[in-house]
Amino acid sequence: GAGVSQSPSNKVTEKGKDVELRCDPISGHTALYWYRQSLGQGLEFLIYFQGNSAPDKSGLPSDRFSAERTGGSVSTLTIQRTQQEDSAVYLCASSLWGNTIYFGEGSWLTVV
Amino acid sequence: GEDVEQSLFLSVREGDSSVINCTYTDSSSTYLYWYKQEPGAGLQLLTYIFSNMDMKQDQRLTVLLNKKDKHLSLRIADTQTGDSAIYFCAESPNSSNTGKLIFGQGTTLQVKP
Repeated sequence: GAGVSQSPSNKVTEKGKDVELRCDPISGHTALYWYRQSLGQGLEFLIYFQGNSAPDKSGLPSDRFSAERTGGSVSTLTIQRTQQEDSAVYLCASSLWGNTIYFGEGSWLTVV
Repeated sequence: GEDVEQSLFLSVREGDSSVINCTYTDSSSTYLYWYKQEPGAGLQLLTYIFSNMDMKQDQRLTVLLNKKDKHLSLRIADTQTGDSAIYFCAESPNSSNTGKLIFGQGTTLQVKP
């Protein structure tokens, strides 16, 4: 597609449920990133995929968070047993070899 | 450590120039970026500058880079009400080896008519 596409755009879930957030990067982009934006925390790096290399998971806040990237394209961020502090905007981004990085519109997650 | 600092708020009158400032810590950063975020939207890449440049101009936007002081600024000429948004400065430290961005806290630009 023309830009980074994320779904769902909004998600309200109950505490303790699992959620999956999807990202379709720009076609041909080799690098894919997940960031989290929450009030008072700014933009926080979560995970980075580059081609077939092992992902950089150094930003994942706990083992409840995981991400996959299938076939070098679409990525899914999974949050298990959601907590209220997980409420945030989850932003996906992609780039060609890590220079200019383009973001999607984000998935707004609210845990009630 | 890696840190990017920005002032939190700037208010200007329509038609004036806006200057948003940023300081960063990693002198190895190859690229420095400015992103714009409008309410309820994602991050829009406005412009970026390569570290061996000291200025880049793109229509109403001028980016100035002072590598010695690790200072980056974004000047918006003839600021319009549509420029009201949060502006994020970001660096891409070479030390991260991944293209991972370190963001500032964002500067809220308010443009008064």
